[in-house]
Amino acid sequence: QVQLVQSGAEVKKPGASVKVSCKASGYTFTGYYMHWVRQAPGQGLEWMGIINPIGGSTNYAPKFQGRVTMTRDTSTSTVYMELSSLRSEDTAVYYCVRTRGAYDSLEDYWGQGTLVTVSS
Amino acid sequence: DIQMTQSPSSLSASVGDRVTITCRASQGIRNDLGWYQQKPGKAPKRLIYVASSLQSGVPSRFSGSGSGTEFTLTVSSLQPEDFATYYCLQHNSYPYSFGQGTKLEIK
Repeated sequence: QVQLVQSGAEVKKPGASVKVSCKASGYTFTGYYMHWVRQAPGQGLEWMGIINPIGGSTNYAPKFQGRVTMTRDTSTSTVYMELSSLRSEDTAVYYCVRTRGAYDSLEDYWGQGTLVTVSS
Repeated sequence: DIQMTQSPSSLSASVGDRVTITCRASQGIRNDLGWYQQKPGKAPKRLIYVASSLQSGVPSRFSGSGSGTEFTLTVSSLQPEDFATYYCLQHNSYPYSFGQGTKLEIK
């Protein structure tokens, strides 16, 4: 069965970076794009960007451009999302979610979410 | 960037009621819109894709309609398990964008 398993919760200080992983299983890793979506406590959903597992090309939301880096490791079927220069507003649950095509609707296979807390 | 304006932001209704949630796109997005339901502490669950197609396993009381800039999600007869937060998502162009959410509460 399809599974997206994310790394555990993180606590970071302002200005630091965080790298969240998402390990895929149960399907052909290179057959699906991966997106990252975040949700601050009590707030709505926010799309961060997408990575193509073939070649690793990316498209980031302008809000995160310059601070976010999405990468993948095809040998382990894992994608990574690194966010730098963290501030308190980046405290959120971060989800990975797949799509079949580059412009498809987000499917029903989401990671379990990773809580990143930014606090001094 | 495409802005999605979702209304209402909250809605109080009773079991058995019919409710409608609306999303408006700031520019035409054809039918590139999905609807998601989220319960506290859980990842969103897709209900509708390409504006009007029902996700497999989702009860038929959920339906979606619209094209271009105006879209609706309708629940024909609310059940207790439907009280949750609902979001629309446009996937016509990058950056994808969500509506602000509609919190559906029990009256």
